[in-house]
Parts: sequence; structure tokens; C-alpha cells
Amino acid sequence: DVKVTQSSRYLVKRTGEKVFLECVQDMDHENMFWYRQDPGLGLRLIYFSYDVKMKEKGDIPEGYSVSREKKERFSLILESASTNQTSMYLCASSSPTGMNTEAFFGQGTRLTVV
Amino acid sequence: AQSVTQLDSQVPVFEEAPVELRCNYSSSVSVYLFWYVQYPNQGLQLLLKYLSGSTLVESINGFEAEFNKSQTSFHLRKPSVHISDTAEYFCAVISRSNYQLIWGAGTKLIIKP
Repeated sequence: DVKVTQSSRYLVKRTGEKVFLECVQDMDHENMFWYRQDPGLGLRLIYFSYDVKMKEKGDIPEGYSVSREKKERFSLILESASTNQTSMYLCASSSPTGMNTEAFFGQGTRLTVV
Repeated sequence: AQSVTQLDSQVPVFEEAPVELRCNYSSSVSVYLFWYVQYPNQGLQLLLKYLSGSTLVESINGFEAEFNKSQTSFHLRKPSVHISDTAEYFCAVISRSNYQLIWGAGTKLIIKP
């Protein structure tokens, strides 16, 4: 089975802390994505990566950065956490080939910034 | 630019009643179409997809969706819902030209006993 694993299900952090969210996939997928999910707003793309050391901004990159040093791992970094970054964070991966472009998701990390 | 519209943010329905969750998209190029489901406190998982061929696609748990090119729609249906279908459902498209993934805002299916 394809597996996308996010390091934490729940996190509570203080305002101003640097926060790392880790995501690992075991399907050798080229594409990896970070989304945040908020009620009524659906999924919003923060960053994505099509290859190692490659990153592209999504729709809402402000306040976030990412790192992809290895193909299987894609990290989301909150440089200085703020209360408006309290949200559900979802990592996903996919293969770019035409017939298998479905995305596989991790279980999500519910982050609370206090 | 491509977009996906899910017209209903919530759909309440009685158990064993039929349901339709609506999805419309706009795109100037051909697309692949997906429905994902998110059960409470979980990540998203693929429910069904249309890539090519028959325009009617089915999932293993009784859902089906029909690709209608003229109406640019991909509505999700189930003839009889169960309490276990309570979840949020997301429609998504991928452009065949650049493989960009575009999401709808989601529809919460609420099953009333």
C-alpha cells in the first residue's frame, strides 16, 4: 500500500516558536505537496515540490518555508508560529505520469498555536 | 484558469435516502477528474476517478460519478446512504497539459438518522 506518513497527528506550539512538520512517502513519488485545511475554505496549497531540492510556492506561502533534501521527505517549516496558523496541515504525494496522477494523503497534523 | 466549484458546502440527507453531491469545473484543456473523501479526523483518500473511457465510474462502497463533458460536471451520487458515509467530499481535477491539481471547497455530507 502507498503510505504517506506525517510525523505528528496533533501539535501544540507557542507563538513565535519555529515549527517543523515532517512528511515521508514510500512510493518514490516525484511530487509532494503541503496543504492547509480550514473550515469553509477547503484545501489551500502552501508549497509543492516536483523534485529533490526543488520547491514552488502555492497559493498561501507567506509565513512558511519548505525543505526537500531527499525524494521521500518533504518538510514544512513555520519560521515563527502565529495563532492564525492554527489549522489542519495535510501532506500529499503523487507521480507525474498521466495515468497515475492521483494524490495520496497523510493523516494530517492538527496544529494549535497558543 | 482552471477552477472547481462544489455548489453545496453541506448536504443533509436521511439515512437510506439517495444523495447527489455536485461538482462543476472549468478548463480549456482536457482534465482528469477525482472525488476524494475525508472521514472525521483523517486525511483524504481517493473515492473514484475518471481518466478516460466510460463516463460512469463507480467506487467499491456504492458511490458513482458521471463525467458530463458538455456540462463540465462530475457529480457524485449514491442511491442509498448509510451513517458511515458521513464525511467531507472533495472534487478535484488535474489538467492533462500541466498536471496541476485543482480542488473544490468540499461538501460535508450529513446523514440524519
